[in-house]
Amino acid sequence: AQSVTQPDIHITVSEGASLELRCNYSYGATPYLFWYVQSPGQGLQLLLKYFSGDTLVQGIKGFEAEFKRSQSSFNLRKPSVHWSDAAEYFCAVVPWGASGGSNYKLTFGKGTLLTVNP
Amino acid sequence: SAVISQKPSRDICQRGTSLTIQCQVDSQVTMMFWYRQQPGQSLTLIATANQGSEATYESGFVIDKFPISRPNLTFSTLTVSNMSPEDSSIYLCSVLLQGAGNTIYFGEGSWLTVV
Repeated sequence: AQSVTQPDIHITVSEGASLELRCNYSYGATPYLFWYVQSPGQGLQLLLKYFSGDTLVQGIKGFEAEFKRSQSSFNLRKPSVHWSDAAEYFCAVVPWGASGGSNYKLTFGKGTLLTVNP
Repeated sequence: SAVISQKPSRDICQRGTSLTIQCQVDSQVTMMFWYRQQPGQSLTLIATANQGSEATYESGFVIDKFPISRPNLTFSTLTVSNMSPEDSSIYLCSVLLQGAGNTIYFGEGSWLTVV
């Protein structure tokens, strides 16, 4: 069955430390890949996306993600975390080949809650 | 990106009542989607709303409970009918922007508590 897995429910890091959030997918073909962030009391904000090409993708707020086909992974990274990065992070996918029509639907992982210690 | 406004942002509702959530986008879009996020959970797609046609509902969601309107290319509403405490959730409107990579953007959400 198609699925998106975020193995870490909750991660705590110290401010200034590096961060890696894991995301694995199980799809027949590489889907389109997204990372969203949800700050407390807010909606979802798109951090970055991957469709094809360069496997290292740069996003907003200093985040980047690396697509690894061999591992079916799309992990999110940040070299130095700021207290304002405390939020919930969601990995999401759209099946490859989905057009811009009604089949272009996001499937979300369960999310990883990031806590940042001062 | 798109600016997506939802109303109400928060509400406390009585059991058995219905509430309509509005979603306004600052540009014309073909595809709009409604998601539900139950407390402490991830997002689940309720339905896809195309302008000029009936909404398409995902498994587990029905039109009688979640009627949707899509009168034009910048606006949609979701009604949560006959609410129960189990409907307490964040309801998020989202839109698909097509172009250099189709991308889905979200509104700020409508936080509903049913008492």
